[in-house]
Amino acid sequence: AQTVTQSQPEMSVQEAETVTLSCTYDTSESDYYLFWYKQPPSRQMILVIRQEAYKQQNATENRFSVNFQKAAKSFSLKISDSQLGDAAMYFCPQRWYSGLFNGGTSYGKLTFGQGTILTVHP
Amino acid sequence: DVKVTQSSRYLVKRTGEKVFLECVQDMDHENMFWYRQDPGLGLRLIYFSYDVKMKEKGDIPEGYSVSREKKERFSLILESASTNQTSMYLCASSSPGFSYYEQYFGPGTRLTVT
Repeated sequence: AQTVTQSQPEMSVQEAETVTLSCTYDTSESDYYLFWYKQPPSRQMILVIRQEAYKQQNATENRFSVNFQKAAKSFSLKISDSQLGDAAMYFCPQRWYSGLFNGGTSYGKLTFGQGTILTVHP
Repeated sequence: DVKVTQSSRYLVKRTGEKVFLECVQDMDHENMFWYRQDPGLGLRLIYFSYDVKMKEKGDIPEGYSVSREKKERFSLILESASTNQTSMYLCASSSPGFSYYEQYFGPGTRLTVT
């Protein structure tokens, strides 16, 4: 079974500074995808960034980048130049992939961790 | 833009009532999901559907059922609501045709059972 752990229930950062959110996971699969989703207060959850496990290069999207350490099963999110609009709960779900080719039925199911609440101070 | 909508943002029901939560997506996605979100537990999958009239149990299906009669609509049913079902319920959809099976989420329904 896949598990995802976010060990930081809450984090805070000053506006314009950099913050890193941690995520670790456990899986026996070799092919999978990792995501960071953002859930602003009272708003819909949206995708921030994604990483394919077979890619060695870390994904980057503007101010958001990941540090993917496959051997350590670690997938952290770095937010640079933090903005007030970055305040949200962040989740790092995992989706395993191999089931699709084995006639499995993963259907893109995600396994979520507990989430990290990020506060941005002006 | 993909849009996933849920019938209510806030809902208050009494113990023992039958509760229907509705979710509609407008992007012809094959897969639809129901999660509940609780503090400290993250999101947990209740049920999902990969086609019309097809469904599979998630991690916590007890006390819930689902219905998918049309591709765009996925309903979560609480047959007899209990106080431990007070939670935030999120609906999501995805498709193999979209990269990485990215899931698109609705705004959530905060259900209180008294």
